Amino acid sequence: GAGVSQSPSNKVTEKGKDVELRCDPISGHTALYWYRQSLGQGLEFLIYFQGNSAPDKSGLPSDRFSAERTGGSVSTLTIQRTQQEDSAVYLCASSFTGTGGAHYGYTFGSGTRLTVV
Amino acid sequence: GENVEQHPSTLSVQEGDSAVIKCTYSDSASNYFPWYKQELGKRPQLIIDIRSNVGEKKDQRIAVTLNKTAKHFSLHITETQPEDSAVYFCALPPYSSASKIIFGSGTRLSIRP
Repeated sequence: GAGVSQSPSNKVTEKGKDVELRCDPISGHTALYWYRQSLGQGLEFLIYFQGNSAPDKSGLPSDRFSAERTGGSVSTLTIQRTQQEDSAVYLCASSFTGTGGAHYGYTFGSGTRLTVV
Repeated sequence: GENVEQHPSTLSVQEGDSAVIKCTYSDSASNYFPWYKQELGKRPQLIIDIRSNVGEKKDQRIAVTLNKTAKHFSLHITETQPEDSAVYFCALPPYSSASKIIFGSGTRLSIRP
């Protein structure tokens, strides 16, 4: 597609349930990021995928959070046993790697607004 | 490790005046410096960027300046308008595939009528 696509755009779930958020990056982009953004706050880094390398999971807040990227394209962020503090907008972004490994064309998806009730 | 500091965290200016937001970084290998604008309820979007081989780049009312010696780059908005109200983020993209992009903490810009 022309941009980074995220689904669903909105998700309301009950506390304790598991949720899956999907990100479809721009075709050809090898780098994919997940961020969390609470209302009025900055971008909280969660996880970073680059090609076939092992992902950088250093931003995941707890073991309830996990993510995978299949075939170097679509990524799924899973939150198990959701808590109210997980309520936020989850943003995905992708970029392509240029000569020497530099990243360009960094583009965000429109996000998934997660509400845990 | 790589780090970027963004100031101020909030900025209020009179409509028509100029606004300046500054980011300071620590990694001397960086060679690309983008700025993103995030309007309320929307995704961050790239508004301007600069590469290390130039010191300034302009796009209508927006400009970015880069001082590689001092390791800082700034966003300048002139003749501010109400639609400039947003949160602005600077970013420090990785220079290798092993590292990741780093965002500043954001500046909430408000334009007073």
